[in-house]
Amino acid sequence: SQTIHQWPATLVQPVGSPLSLECTVEGTSNPNLYWYRQAAGRGLQLLFYSVGIGQISSEVPQNLSASRPQDRQFILSSKKLLLSDSGFYLCAWSAKRVEQYFGPGTRLTVT
Amino acid sequence: SQQGEEDPQALSIQEGENATMNCSYKTSINNLQWYRQNSGRGLVHLILIRSNEREKHSGRLRVTLDTSKKSSSLLITASRAADTASYFCVPSSPMGKSTFGDGTTLTVKP
Repeated sequence: SQTIHQWPATLVQPVGSPLSLECTVEGTSNPNLYWYRQAAGRGLQLLFYSVGIGQISSEVPQNLSASRPQDRQFILSSKKLLLSDSGFYLCAWSAKRVEQYFGPGTRLTVT
Repeated sequence: SQQGEEDPQALSIQEGENATMNCSYKTSINNLQWYRQNSGRGLVHLILIRSNEREKHSGRLRVTLDTSKKSSSLLITASRAADTASYFCVPSSPMGKSTFGDGTTLTVKP
């Protein structure tokens, strides 16, 4: 069966510090991968999605970036965090054009 | 990509009652999905209904789809306190990207 992992679960970082969030999927090959951010009480904002290794599409201009160095690994990064980067970050995978399966999320607080 | 809009924003009911949430969208879809999110957790996929289907059931969940009205509804029968969560509808974009609205926050009181 497929499993999706995200870490860390929570993170507190100062403004201006770098960020690296990792997501890995097990039990499937060549999945679509997604990064979302969710503000408190709101829906999910799609940040990046990837249909294959090295193929990243950005949905929202920001100081975040994503990379997919391996088929089942998706990394969200920032060189310098802003206060507005605080939120709940969710990684998800899907087979082609079907339902998405979400990881447990990372709660990021930028102080 | 397109976004589903859920209505109402918040719903509060007593345990045992039925809960109905509605979803509207703007353009043609291939399918529509409903997700649940418990507070502070990841989302869980509940059900997918294809554009050629009008109704689908899964346990206590019943989803309807009216493509002529570009709307869907999610009915939870005999609700339980554990159903307390936010519910999101996601109309499927042809590109495979899904956009989530703000959801309906359901509170089931014991």
